[in-house]
Amino acid sequence: AQTVTQSQPEMSVQEAETVTLSCTYDTSESNYYLFWYKQPPSRQMILVIRQEAYKQQNATENRFSVNFQKAAKSFSLKISDSQLGDTAMYFCAFMKQTPSGANSKLTFGKGITLSVRP
Amino acid sequence: NAGVTQTPKFRILKIGQSMTLQCTQDMNHNYMYWYRQDPGMGLKLIYYSVGAGITDKGEVPNGYNVSRSTTEDFPLRLELAAPSQTSVYFCASSYLGGAGAYGYTFGSGTRLTVV
Repeated sequence: AQTVTQSQPEMSVQEAETVTLSCTYDTSESNYYLFWYKQPPSRQMILVIRQEAYKQQNATENRFSVNFQKAAKSFSLKISDSQLGDTAMYFCAFMKQTPSGANSKLTFGKGITLSVRP
Repeated sequence: NAGVTQTPKFRILKIGQSMTLQCTQDMNHNYMYWYRQDPGMGLKLIYYSVGAGITDKGEVPNGYNVSRSTTEDFPLRLELAAPSQTSVYFCASSYLGGAGAYGYTFGSGTRLTVV
């Protein structure tokens, strides 16, 4: 079974600064996907960024980027130029890749609450 | 597209009562999921379905039941509600082969309180 660990329950950052959210995972799988989801106070789960394990290049989406270290089983999220709207809970999640292409289940970490200060 | 629609958004139940959380999606997704979110615990999978007529247990299925008679609908049934079922419930869906590329599409959640 896979586990996802987010050891920091809360973080705070000044507006316009950069913040990094940590995530580690444990798996015996070789092929998998990793995700970061954002949950603002509205409760809606929003996909922020995804990474395929076989790709060495780190994924980026505008101000969001990841540092994927496969050997270390680490998947951190960097938010640049933090904005007030980034205030939310962030979840790291793991999904194994199946040979048949059938979907697999998402396993979530406990989440981290990020507060952006004006 | 409406995406994934959950009803109700909020509900208060008394201990021992039963209720059904509704979930419907209009994207023709094969896969549907129910998660519960508890403070500090992340999201845990309750049940999932890979298509109409096929359901399977997730990590925390006790106290719940599901059915999948159509592609669109995946209701979650709570029988004999207990305080431990106080939680926020999320329904999600994905299409075959698409979850890795696009993740899941989530509903807006149902906040359930059992008193």
